[in-house]
Amino acid sequence: DIQMTQSPSTLSASVGDRVTITCRASQSISSWLAWYQQKPGKAPKLLIYKASSLENGVPSRFSGSGSGTEFTLTISSLQPDDFATYYCQQYNSYWTFGQGTKVEIK
Amino acid sequence: EVQLVESGGGLVQPGGSLRLSCAASGFTFSSYEMNWVRQAPGKGLEWVSYISSSGSAIYYADSVKGRFTVSRDNAKNSLFLQMSSLRAEDTAVYYCARVGSSADGAFDIWGQGTMVTVSS
Repeated sequence: DIQMTQSPSTLSASVGDRVTITCRASQSISSWLAWYQQKPGKAPKLLIYKASSLENGVPSRFSGSGSGTEFTLTISSLQPDDFATYYCQQYNSYWTFGQGTKVEIK
Repeated sequence: EVQLVESGGGLVQPGGSLRLSCAASGFTFSSYEMNWVRQAPGKGLEWVSYISSSGSAIYYADSVKGRFTVSRDNAKNSLFLQMSSLRAEDTAVYYCARVGSSADGAFDIWGQGTMVTVSS
C-alpha cells in the first residue's frame, strides 16, 4: 500500500502569508496526486489534480508542484476563506489520503 | 446543478447492518466511476470503496473487505453501500464522491455526507 505523509500537521499563519504544505509518498506515484480543502462540517473540495492542474473555479493563489514522491501545495497570499484543513491524495494505485494539514489563524 | 446526496445513515448496534444510498443528479451518472470515502469524528479521510461506471470493477479498502458491498443502479442514478458486521471503528461520516473525467482521476464532486454511528 502507498502511504502519504503530510507536513506540517498544523500551520499557523496570517492573512497575506505565503503558505506551503508538503506531501510525501512512500513510493513513486508519478503525478497522480490531488489536493483537497475541507472546512468543518463540510465535504472536501478539489483544488488541484494531477499534481499541478488547477480545478475550475479555484483561485489562482493556489498552486501545486512535484512529481514522483515529493509534492507541495502553495497558497501565494493567504486569504480569510483559506483557513481550513488540506489533504493530499494519491490515485496512482488505489487511493490514499494524507493525514491532513490544518491551517490556523496566527 | 451537479449534485450527490447521501442518505441512510444512523445509529446501529455492533454487528448490525446498514445500507447507504447516494442519489446523483445534474450529470450522466452512468458515465462516471464512483467512490465511498469516510471520515471518523475528528480524524482524516479514508477511502472505502470504488466502483466503475458499469459496475464491472469494484475495489475495497482492507478495513472493510468482506463486510461492505458497493453497488450501483445506473437506471436510477444511484450508488449504494451495504455495510454489515459493523464495528465501533466504522463510526464516521460517509461521503460518496465522483471520479472527475476532466480531473484525471481525482474526486471532483462530493456529497454532503451521512453519519453512521456504531454503538450499543
